[in-house]
Amino acid sequence: EADIYQTPRYLVIGTGKKITLECSQTMGHDKMYWYQQDPGMELHLIHYSYGVNSTEKGDLSSESTVSRIRTEHFPLTLESARPSHTSQYLCASSTSGRPEDTQYFGPGTRLTVL
Amino acid sequence: KNQVEQSPQSLIILEGKNCTLQCNYTVSPFSNLRWYKQDTGRGPVSLTIMTFSENTKSNGRYTATLDADTKQSSLHITASQLSDSASYICVVSDRGSTLGRLYFGRGTQLTVWP
Repeated sequence: EADIYQTPRYLVIGTGKKITLECSQTMGHDKMYWYQQDPGMELHLIHYSYGVNSTEKGDLSSESTVSRIRTEHFPLTLESARPSHTSQYLCASSTSGRPEDTQYFGPGTRLTVL
Repeated sequence: KNQVEQSPQSLIILEGKNCTLQCNYTVSPFSNLRWYKQDTGRGPVSLTIMTFSENTKSNGRYTATLDADTKQSSLHITASQLSDSASYICVVSDRGSTLGRLYFGRGTQLTVWP
């Protein structure tokens, strides 16, 4: 079992609210990632980080933002949630980001925006 | 375009039976292929990883095969159990990026009935 945690697990909020999805890992991994997954669809990378103070946008355009102030913490923020943001958000981490390194996933946050 | 295609989309089998899931990919240059298991409401967990030179890899009742020439992989589950009910995702890494970019299939939803 990977030591990577996400909170909350489920979130239902109204349109226009600001939300922050939390992700923490205790494995000391430098690389962290945020994925978005809709039911029956593939995971899409929306943000990643090589380490502290490093953040990059992924393949899928997202209105969310991320920060990496501490190695173990990689929160994702939506300033003004909309129904189109309804999805499952998965956080992951890996040792170095090389292709052979395993990405360990958290349990996910299922977000519903009404 | 780098893609990963999985079949079937869904599968129902009886407990104790065997099954085989398929994955075709066009990712190039190829680094490795993983099979992940994703339980409902959870993050994916890595089952096997195979590099270019490996033809088969086992993890308990799970056996993955890889044909790098035809760019095909399969995951064989032996003597299925109710706990095998999950989505099985084929994930391919390329060698071309320093990030270790992952390409995800949409998964095969396996249901094991008693």
